[in-house]
Amino acid sequence: AQKITQTQPGMFVQEKEAVTLDCTYDTSDQSYGLFWYKQPSSGEMIFLIYQGSYDEQNATEGRYSLNFQKARKSANLVISASQLGDSAMYFCAMSLSRNSGGSNYKLTFGKGTLLTVNP
Amino acid sequence: DTEVTQTPKHLVMGMTNKKSLKCEQHMGHRAMYWYKQKAKKPPELMFVYSYEKLSINESVPSRFSPECPNSSLLNLHLHALQPEDSALYLCASSQEGRGGGNTIYFGEGSWLTVV
Repeated sequence: AQKITQTQPGMFVQEKEAVTLDCTYDTSDQSYGLFWYKQPSSGEMIFLIYQGSYDEQNATEGRYSLNFQKARKSANLVISASQLGDSAMYFCAMSLSRNSGGSNYKLTFGKGTLLTVNP
Repeated sequence: DTEVTQTPKHLVMGMTNKKSLKCEQHMGHRAMYWYKQKAKKPPELMFVYSYEKLSINESVPSRFSPECPNSSLLNLHLHALQPEDSALYLCASSQEGRGGGNTIYFGEGSWLTVV
C-alpha cells in the first residue's frame, strides 16, 4: 500500500521569502506520479505541480518547484517569493500507474500542511 | 479559474430531503470523480466514472447515488442523509489512459450541511 507523509502540520513564512513544504512517500511500485495541491479556505483544490517517477529533472511551474529525491522517497514543494495569497492548506498526493498494476484514479493524500504567509 | 464547475456552492438540507450536487467539465476528460472532505482532513475518494460508466465505488452508503448523464456531467443524488455526512464534496476530472500521472483537476466544491 502507498502512503504519503507530511510532517509539518503548520508552517509560517515571511512575505517574499522562500518556503519548503516536506513530503515523503512510500510505495513499492516503480511507476507513480506525485502531485501538490493548494486548498484555500474557500475549498477549491488547486493543482500546482506534478512529478513523474521516471522524470529526471525536477518539475517547475512558475514560483513552484518540486525537489524530487527518488532514493530518499521525498518530493518537497518549494515556493519562492511567498505572497499573502499563498496562505492555504497544501496537500502532497500520489497516484500509481496502471502499467504497474495500480490505479491512476486513486490519489493517496498526505494530511496536509497549513501555510501562513505573514506580511 | 477552475474548469470544473460545481453547483450549488452551499447546500443545507434536512435528513428527509432529496437533493443533488452537480458538476460539469469542458476539458474533454473521460474520467470524473466525487470526493468527500471533512474538516481538517484530506479528501477521500467516493466514486469514479470512466467513459460514463461507474468504475470505482469506495463502499459508499446507498444514500449517495452518483449519475453520469454524459461525458461532461456528473451528479451526486442525496437522500436521507445524516448529520455526519456534512462535508465539502469535491468533483474532479482527468484524462483517461493507461499511463500514470494523469492530473486530477478539482472543482470549487459544494459545502453540504445536513440538519
